[in-house]
Amino acid sequence: AQKVTQAQTEISVVEKEDVTLDCVYETRDTTYYLFWYKQPPSGELVFLIRRNSFDEQNEISGRYSWNFQKSTSSFNFTITASQVVDSAVYFCALSWTGGGNKLTFGTGTQLKVEL
Amino acid sequence: DAGVIQSPRHEVTEMGQEVTLRCKPISGHDYLFWYRQTMMRGLELLIYFNNNVPIDDSGMPEDRFSAKMPNASFSTLKIQPSEPRDSAVYFCASSRGAGVNNEQFFGPGTRLTVL
Repeated sequence: AQKVTQAQTEISVVEKEDVTLDCVYETRDTTYYLFWYKQPPSGELVFLIRRNSFDEQNEISGRYSWNFQKSTSSFNFTITASQVVDSAVYFCALSWTGGGNKLTFGTGTQLKVEL
Repeated sequence: DAGVIQSPRHEVTEMGQEVTLRCKPISGHDYLFWYRQTMMRGLELLIYFNNNVPIDDSGMPEDRFSAKMPNASFSTLKIQPSEPRDSAVYFCASSRGAGVNNEQFFGPGTRLTVL
């Protein structure tokens, strides 16, 4: 069965701190994709990144970076120098070749960045 | 370009009433997904379509729920009769292509409250 676990329910940091959101996944498929979505207080879901199972290179986009490690089945997300605008719920999700185009989401991590 | 459009944004109804949620996917996208988000169950896929044909409706909770996609630019999710436990945010998403790597673009959601 496919499963995504985000063990951190809520994280609070002070602005400018770095913060890492954890994501652990389970799948038996060898070809799969991992995603991160952001859900700000306004409610919409915003796509952040996609990573396939054959590419373990870390990725950096501005203050955001992602660390994919197949050995630990993890796809962690780090925000450097957090800002108040980063406050949101962040979801990790998984799609796999045997699942059609379905996404399985984790339960999300609520990030609160305070001044 | 317009994103995924959902209407209404908010719906309040009484138990037993019929509710119809509407979605217009991004032009050119051939996959359409309906999700439900609740505190208890998180984000769960209800049904998805490819080229207007339902592919997987295993997430539809019960016969009170039905979804249609009469053409490439319109889909509905109907609940009849509605119950208080149906209260949730319902998201529509669309994507292009058959690959599991294709990111899904989400609409703003419809917040449904059943009294």
